[in-house]
Amino acid sequence: QVQLQESGPGLVKPSGTLSLTCAVSGDSMSGSHWWTWVRQPPGKGLEWIGEISHSGTTNYNPSLWSRVTMSVDKSKNHFSLRLTSVTAADTAVYFCARDSGTYLYYFDYWGQGTLVTVSS
Amino acid sequence: EIVLTQSPGTLSLSPGERASLSCRASQSVSATYLAWYQQKPGQAPRLLIYSASRRATGIPDRFRGSASGTDFTLTISRLEPEDFAVYFCQQYGSSPPVYTFGQGTKLEMK
Repeated sequence: QVQLQESGPGLVKPSGTLSLTCAVSGDSMSGSHWWTWVRQPPGKGLEWIGEISHSGTTNYNPSLWSRVTMSVDKSKNHFSLRLTSVTAADTAVYFCARDSGTYLYYFDYWGQGTLVTVSS
Repeated sequence: EIVLTQSPGTLSLSPGERASLSCRASQSVSATYLAWYQQKPGQAPRLLIYSASRRATGIPDRFRGSASGTDFTLTISRLEPEDFAVYFCQQYGSSPPVYTFGQGTKLEMK
């Protein structure tokens, strides 16, 4: 059974950097799956942030690309998100998820999500 | 940029009734890359349907997805109490690679 678990600070200061990690179990992270971050501001909809392959290839949402960096560490079976120059608009629940790996482009496993608040 | 518009914003129905949720794309999208998710409060989204009409593993057959051009529909034939939640559609576009979600439809109990 594949499981994903987000971790990281729940509070980040404005203009600071948000850093989160997603620990993956039940999957070696070496296959055809891509690993994704999605966020959801309180009471709002879902926004795709970006994705990373097992080899480190990335695709980012054009609306966020200048502030986003993703990385993968297969030895630790986790992948990470960095979002710089954060503002209150970045306050959200951040989910990590796995693309199905079938080239049908949907997310079959999700973490439970972690709330990150941007506030001084 | 493709925009997915879901309607209605809120749907109030009773258990046993039929629900029809709409997701309309602003331009042509491949049905192959259209998915539906269910989200309950405090939980992650759960995959229901992929490729517009294929049920994910373990999803009851009362959930059905369909497509017609740029219009996609999620139908729940007979609502169960556990079906009341928020539903999102999602599509993938390849140039550049981007995933887009609709704004969601809240299905509430009447």
